[in-house]
Amino acid sequence: DTAVSQTPKYLVTQMGNDKSIKCEQNLGHDTMYWYKQDSKKFLKIMFSYNNKELIINETVPNRFSPKSPDKAHLNLHINSLELGDSAVYFCASSQIRGAGGYTFGSGTRLTVV
Amino acid sequence: SQQGEEDPQALSIQEGENATMNCSYKTSINNLQWYRQNSGRGLVHLILIRSNEREKHSGRLRVTLDTSKKSSSLLITASRAADTASYFCATVPMEYGNKLVFGAGTILRVKS
Repeated sequence: DTAVSQTPKYLVTQMGNDKSIKCEQNLGHDTMYWYKQDSKKFLKIMFSYNNKELIINETVPNRFSPKSPDKAHLNLHINSLELGDSAVYFCASSQIRGAGGYTFGSGTRLTVV
Repeated sequence: SQQGEEDPQALSIQEGENATMNCSYKTSINNLQWYRQNSGRGLVHLILIRSNEREKHSGRLRVTLDTSKKSSSLLITASRAADTASYFCATVPMEYGNKLVFGAGTILRVKS
């Protein structure tokens, strides 16, 4: 069974569109994250939720809105997509905030054209 | 800004040789973690070392941590072609105990 699953794996869309990426974890972890990996492979945290509560909101445009309906799901909605949003987005989860290893999903490659 | 800097940026070795990657960071930390990323895949957690630990082993991996120098190293012994991947160090800063901050990564290529 996949521990952290993201859908879709690939997403190609036009500028100005709105899109969502879904993430689910079956590990029973309390904390979930969204990371963005740019073309130079830099990974930067975007958001973190602990038991459905937003605990980290980095300097991310407010076009990005995370939603956590329950502690096993963390979705990312992006409005008015821009070329610069093209990247790989990774969902991750951890058992104890900061104290243990993270389990990452396989990523969603977003291409905005 | 990125918390960690990794050195070298890229490393190419022969199968059977050892690979050493270094990581430096800027602020006090709770722990430091190493991850592997195969091309086009997600990150896989390899090992975690706490700030009060100096060395840790896991199979062919050996990690050291020097908090006085704010640096860590990852040694992969007897490398295999399957070890070819990007390796990232990541820290949990003491100030922000609930987020993992990544370095730029080292690309390792093991030639068979």
